[in-house]
Amino acid sequence: DTEVTQTPKHLVMGMTNKKSLKCEQHMGHRAMYWYKQKAKKPPELMFVYSYEKLSINESVPSRFSPECPNSSLLNLHLHALQPEDSALYLCASSQAGLPTYNQPQHFGDGTRLSIL
Amino acid sequence: GQQVMQIPQYQHVQEGEDFTTYCNSSTTLSNIQWYKQRPGGHPVFLIQLVKSGEVKKQKRLTFQFGEAKKNSSLHITATQTTDVGTYFCAGQGGGFKTIFGAGTRLFVKA
Repeated sequence: DTEVTQTPKHLVMGMTNKKSLKCEQHMGHRAMYWYKQKAKKPPELMFVYSYEKLSINESVPSRFSPECPNSSLLNLHLHALQPEDSALYLCASSQAGLPTYNQPQHFGDGTRLSIL
Repeated sequence: GQQVMQIPQYQHVQEGEDFTTYCNSSTTLSNIQWYKQRPGGHPVFLIQLVKSGEVKKQKRLTFQFGEAKKNSSLHITATQTTDVGTYFCAGQGGGFKTIFGAGTRLFVKA
């Protein structure tokens, strides 16, 4: 069982819809991440939150909007997505660690997103 | 920008054979992590290497970090069908930014 919980597991949406992906962890981790993973490709970093503040935005289009309501929760709000945004969206968390190197990341099972 | 290259892309082995995957970074890394992703699953952390020249072992898995902290390898001795999956290295140059290698997909034939 994963310690990072993502909902929903699957999501099908039209290009005009608005939906949200949710991620929750109760390990006391203060860094949380969103990744996008296409089939047979590595995870691609999208956003990083550290102590509930956005630390990294990897030039992600504005149709993806992250939110970190508290230290346990991470959301990804979706609006006007394109078919090429269909992918597995992974949430991860880690201890905040030192500035010089990262701590291991714990991944959720992901949300498999399909854009019609 | 920072790149992490990983080879080979695929490896087919007979059960009992050894397997190695290699990672090379265009820049010096502060540390490197290895993850395994089973088909249909999510990446699972295996190990982290921080020191120059570091070697760590986990049962049949041996991980190495190069002296210059720009390359790393994962070696599996006597593969088993349970080793099937994609192995990713993930390099960090500092801060929270993580760059994953392309991954090596391991297929094991019983």
